Amino acid sequence: GAGVSQSPSNKVTEKGKDVELRCDPISGHTALYWYRQSLGQGLEFLIYFQGNSAPDKSGLPSDRFSAERTGGSVSTLTIQRTQQEDSAVYLCASSPRWVSYEQYFGPGTRLTVT
Amino acid sequence: TQLLEQSPQFLSIQEGENLTVYCNSSSVFSSLQWYRQEPGEGPVLLVTVVTGGEVKKLKRLTFQFGDARKDSSLHITAAQTGDTGLYLCAGARGGSEKLVFGKGTKLTVNP
Repeated sequence: GAGVSQSPSNKVTEKGKDVELRCDPISGHTALYWYRQSLGQGLEFLIYFQGNSAPDKSGLPSDRFSAERTGGSVSTLTIQRTQQEDSAVYLCASSPRWVSYEQYFGPGTRLTVT
Repeated sequence: TQLLEQSPQFLSIQEGENLTVYCNSSSVFSSLQWYRQEPGEGPVLLVTVVTGGEVKKLKRLTFQFGDARKDSSLHITAAQTGDTGLYLCAGARGGSEKLVFGKGTKLTVNP
């Protein structure tokens, strides 16, 4: 398929463990975004990449969260020492332009921290 | 502080009825998007509006951007069960690549 893909689709982890979430954007899209969606809270911006650099990391909730993007394509969001409040759906989106007019979302990774 | 307020939060109607959902802010946006999200899936972009007063139609859906570019509405005519989902508005502010999302309107269309 030509859409944004994310893996895993579901992840259950124990409190204190590290997790890695992966995003494969649409081929050729230069911008990539990570969001978090909690029940009743809407989408919360986490980080934005343009190519391999992250001009805006302002949404990362703590230093336990980090993200990287390699080759201008795949991105990984890492959460260290997970906490129960990290439980949410993590969504990735990509965009073909310099401005965020059009974002195409993946299906998300549902993270549950027990 | 929620930059984009959506109302109503929940809406349950019968098939064939008309409805309007609203997205309001005290801030000016350079563009505003509407997305629809179904359970277990990511949001799907429906429309982008960029000009104050702009009206766009997508089949039975009509989107309007306020003259001052602070608010928007989505009107659905003769709703169908397939319109069921979470409708999200999102705005981009000048100079920022970050979209601000409202909390959404959960629409249920009953047969």
